[in-house]
Amino acid sequence: DGGITQSPKYLFRKEGQNVTLSCEQNLNHDAMYWYRQDPGQGLRLIYYSQIVNDFQKGDIAEGYSVSREKKESFPLTVTSAQKNPTAFYLCASSFQSMNTEAFFGQGTRLTVV
Amino acid sequence: QKEVEQNSGPLSVPEGAIASLNCTYSDRVSQSFFWYRQYSGKSPELIMSIYSNGDKEDGRFTAQLNKASQYVSLLIRDSQPSDSATYLCAVRGNQGGKLIFGQGTELSVKP
Repeated sequence: DGGITQSPKYLFRKEGQNVTLSCEQNLNHDAMYWYRQDPGQGLRLIYYSQIVNDFQKGDIAEGYSVSREKKESFPLTVTSAQKNPTAFYLCASSFQSMNTEAFFGQGTRLTVV
Repeated sequence: QKEVEQNSGPLSVPEGAIASLNCTYSDRVSQSFFWYRQYSGKSPELIMSIYSNGDKEDGRFTAQLNKASQYVSLLIRDSQPSDSATYLCAVRGNQGGKLIFGQGTELSVKP
């Protein structure tokens, strides 16, 4: 099946630990995105990548890091520097050209205790 | 000013009525506009995309774009209780690049 897979669906971590969220797509999409959603809020852009080995900061990149070594994969690391990491994390992907649609994975709900 | 702004909501309409959802954006060179529906606890799903001025219809949904006014809207005709969800407006600038979302409008359709 073609699609975007995020894993795990639920993740619990102790405060001060780094954690990596996985996002894989087999749609041959060029661009990939990470968003954070807090309860009752919209999606805020953390990082995005338009091509392998290149990525750009979004509006709330502090405390997060990413890599894009393969076209299919765009993992997000939530570092201990992120002050309030508990949230719903969403990965999306799209083709690079302008008028193309983005599709989402099922999300990872991270809880830091 | 936020890049993409939506009605604060929640918006409540009776079953069978037309629901009207609005969105404004600040970047004049934005080229691509999208509406997503998000059920509680789930990820967003794309319901409409629009790229040129005017109306675009798909079943009970109509997206309207006015680039001069930097305004995009979504009309849902014959609203059903299953339409109850949060609707997210998203905008992408020219040359592709980042996709920015509004804060979402919660819609409740009452039987």
